[in-house]
Amino acid sequence: DQQVKQNSPSLSVQEGRISILNCDYTNSMFDYFLWYKKYPAEGPTFLISISSIKDKNEDGRFTVFLNKSAKHLSLHIVPSQPGDSAVYFCAANSGGGADGLTFGKGTHLIIQP
Amino acid sequence: DAGITQSPRYKITETGRQVTLMCHQTWSHSYMFWYRQDLGHGLRLIYYSAAADITDKGEVPDGYVVSRSKTENFPLTLESATRSQTSVYFCASKQGPGNTIYFGEGSWLTVV
Repeated sequence: DQQVKQNSPSLSVQEGRISILNCDYTNSMFDYFLWYKKYPAEGPTFLISISSIKDKNEDGRFTVFLNKSAKHLSLHIVPSQPGDSAVYFCAANSGGGADGLTFGKGTHLIIQP
Repeated sequence: DAGITQSPRYKITETGRQVTLMCHQTWSHSYMFWYRQDLGHGLRLIYYSAAADITDKGEVPDGYVVSRSKTENFPLTLESATRSQTSVYFCASKQGPGNTIYFGEGSWLTVV
């Protein structure tokens, strides 16, 4: 039973355009959502997060949107740059997450020149 | 800022051998975690620890043993390695009941 789903294994976007990565979740207890970015041969690095009390959080070129009624969140990257090519993991937890994060399978973003 | 360091980074072992992956963090974080990453599965939690001498099972604990005698160390042991345990293992930590977890660089383990 996959509680966090990233249904697009890969996404190709032209440099300078907007990249939109999607994530769905099934656990209604999740109250905090995060995006991690991962380059090959490195550990995941924290990118941006959002609490369930908000519907949008922005940090520079990165914006995360949360639609609680649809149990859906998305990560927008504008404008996309070559260095954004990586695997992006959506993650969630509840109640402070003492037991860690639940991750999606990841989306491989490829930025084309 | 050393953060989290994992060792070894790369390891090849034989089926049935015992293997220990080390994890050390310099932030004095209370919580530590072990995840494994496999194609088609993303990151799955093996074990976690809320403090020294406190450990709990995650989603995929079978075949693994952990200990946490010191806050800064969280070793993961495969008591009798199997080919299905070929994976990339990530150690992670966080300060308290907050939400952001910080990962190490990973340990690539191949069981032949």
